[in-house]
Amino acid sequence: EAGVAQSPRYKIIEKRQSVAFWCNPISGHATLYWYQQILGQGPKLLIQFQNNGVVDDSQLPKDRFSAERLKGVDSTLKIQPAKLEDSAVYLCASSLVFSKGTGELFFGEGSRLTVL
Amino acid sequence: LAKTTQPISMDSYEGQEVNITCSHNNIATNDYITWYQQFPSQGPRFIIQGYKTKVTNEVASLFIPADRKSSTLSLPRVSLSDTAVYYCLVGGSNSGYALNFGKGTSLLVTP
Repeated sequence: EAGVAQSPRYKIIEKRQSVAFWCNPISGHATLYWYQQILGQGPKLLIQFQNNGVVDDSQLPKDRFSAERLKGVDSTLKIQPAKLEDSAVYLCASSLVFSKGTGELFFGEGSRLTVL
Repeated sequence: LAKTTQPISMDSYEGQEVNITCSHNNIATNDYITWYQQFPSQGPRFIIQGYKTKVTNEVASLFIPADRKSSTLSLPRVSLSDTAVYYCLVGGSNSGYALNFGKGTSLLVTP
């Protein structure tokens, strides 16, 4: 079974530039998550989708971050304009069940962003 | 959301049993307790999940007391490859699924 695919794996940009990350979840997984992981910290949830609808985006900095999940399959996370503090690994995860607490999250390898 | 507290780091020798305890005093009735493992440059990986008492799988055991205000992840006879960060998460249908990971416990296994 193919895992969660993310691209690019690495991206270096200058502040105020824009960047986009792509995620393709495991086939059939209805729920998709984007996390931000700053070095030395645990992953922080940015946004959660159920199919193509947003379940929770309370921690997404909406002035610069946006995400979409067209057709309820793959998803794109965009940052525009980027700030130095956005340097982090952006992790995508998916789960089969819109969870009743039992939904295991499957993570991709992440996209490492460096903002100079 | 239930807040979790774990030790920042732990050290162990190969072959020992490692127990990592997580406190979650305000766990809600419908919340489950889930543990993930993360290696450098990889996304977290599910280890085990439980609601109450004891759960065991091929890699770990999870002990949950009756009051559910804490849980203990037990790794039997660790090896060097168990060196990783371990995260305890609490969440369920009533508390929402904003599954934020805390700082986790960094486990170092040495020969």
